[in-house]
Amino acid sequence: QKEVEQDPGPLSVPEGAIVSLNCTYSNSAFQYFMWYRQYSRKGPELLMYTYSSGNKEDGRFTAQVDKSSKYISLFIRDSQPSDSATYLCAMRNNAGNMLTFGGGTRLMVKP
Amino acid sequence: DADVTQTPRNRITKTGKRIMLECSQTKGHDRMYWYRQDPGLGLRLIYYSFDVKDINKGEISDGYSVSRQAQAKFSLSLESAIPNQTALYFCATSSASETQYFGPGTRLLVL
Repeated sequence: QKEVEQDPGPLSVPEGAIVSLNCTYSNSAFQYFMWYRQYSRKGPELLMYTYSSGNKEDGRFTAQVDKSSKYISLFIRDSQPSDSATYLCAMRNNAGNMLTFGGGTRLMVKP
Repeated sequence: DADVTQTPRNRITKTGKRIMLECSQTKGHDRMYWYRQDPGLGLRLIYYSFDVKDINKGEISDGYSVSRQAQAKFSLSLESAIPNQTALYFCATSSASETQYFGPGTRLLVL
């Protein structure tokens, strides 16, 4: 079993929909949680960065961490075709910068 | 100008050839990383370096070597390329307290 599990999709939604992307993990030592967005033929770019449990909001994006359930989510409100990309979750413990990645979820937002 | 650059962006080579992928960064970060990305497997760490004199193996280092020529430069070599090394390769950088920032990637095809 992988340390970080992520549904590969593809997830197809109409423009304007609320999107929920999720990851589960098994290592209780993870304290920092990230979401990266990767457009086709591009490198991953950092979208959200949170520490421990709770919510963090940035514009149309909300990251949620539930450490008791070992479950993290990324919500996208009013989704746009430009949000079509692969979304990677990543996480690490307190000891350093070593990230463990999920396999990525491919999102398609249709006009 | 991009903070993290990778050359070449695309490369086709033959089995048994030696190739080098290069990474440069202008972010002033001490830490640099090489990953490969395969469909459905996410990003897997090949090697990482926390400063010029520090080199560490990652999850999948067999068949690869690296050189940290300067704080800003980190190169990845395939000594004798094989077809299952066909993948997307990403360089990333970070400081001690931040998460990782990725380059645009190198698409490698080994025939």
